[in-house]
Amino acid sequence: GENVEQHPSTLSVQEGDSAVIKCTYSDSASNYFPWYKQELGKRPQLIIDIRSNVGEKKDQRIAVTLNKTAKHFSLHITETQPEDSAVYFCAASIRSGATNKLIFGTGTLLAVQP
Amino acid sequence: GAVVSQHPSRVICKSGTSVKIECRSLDFQATTMFWYRQFPKQSLMLMATSNEGSKATYEQGVEKDKFLINHASLTLSTLTVTSAHPEDSSFYICSARAPDFRGLLEGGYTFGSGTRLTVV
Repeated sequence: GENVEQHPSTLSVQEGDSAVIKCTYSDSASNYFPWYKQELGKRPQLIIDIRSNVGEKKDQRIAVTLNKTAKHFSLHITETQPEDSAVYFCAASIRSGATNKLIFGTGTLLAVQP
Repeated sequence: GAVVSQHPSRVICKSGTSVKIECRSLDFQATTMFWYRQFPKQSLMLMATSNEGSKATYEQGVEKDKFLINHASLTLSTLTVTSAHPEDSSFYICSARAPDFRGLLEGGYTFGSGTRLTVV
């Protein structure tokens, strides 16, 4: 079935260190993989995304890598800061009829310790 | 950029009553709207996909007679929680796929600001 697994569920790092969150997906036809940051009670905020024709994408301190063969993708945050503390979700697009729906991973609570 | 307006942001209702949540795409036509539910400390779970002018497609385990979805126009989709019970208390959020900046291809998914529903 449609499934996106995400690990770890919680991650605590020291300010300045790197954080890595990993996701795997089940549908080999998935072609769009966004990452969201969500603060309590707010809407998910897109921080970076990658499409299936690209293996890696970087935006300042944030990068995403995609391995289509293994069906997994990862979020890398370097030089973490306390304001990076939040819940992060990966997602994968799943073809459903004439549209693509987004299925979310289970989330990672990132705590950056000052 | 693409904006989806969701109302109300918070609602408290009595058990047994119905609540309607609206999502409007303000600067683009959303042929498809997705409805999610998020319980505390959990992920966003897709409830249904709403297509303009046709019946919504519900995910497995979601009661279509309890969560009524209407997508009457290209800019408005509504979710009505009927006969609400305390276990329906949750954060409901809509999402639409907007065109890219050129209006040619589908861009990312734009989310509404969410509705915190509390059933007492």
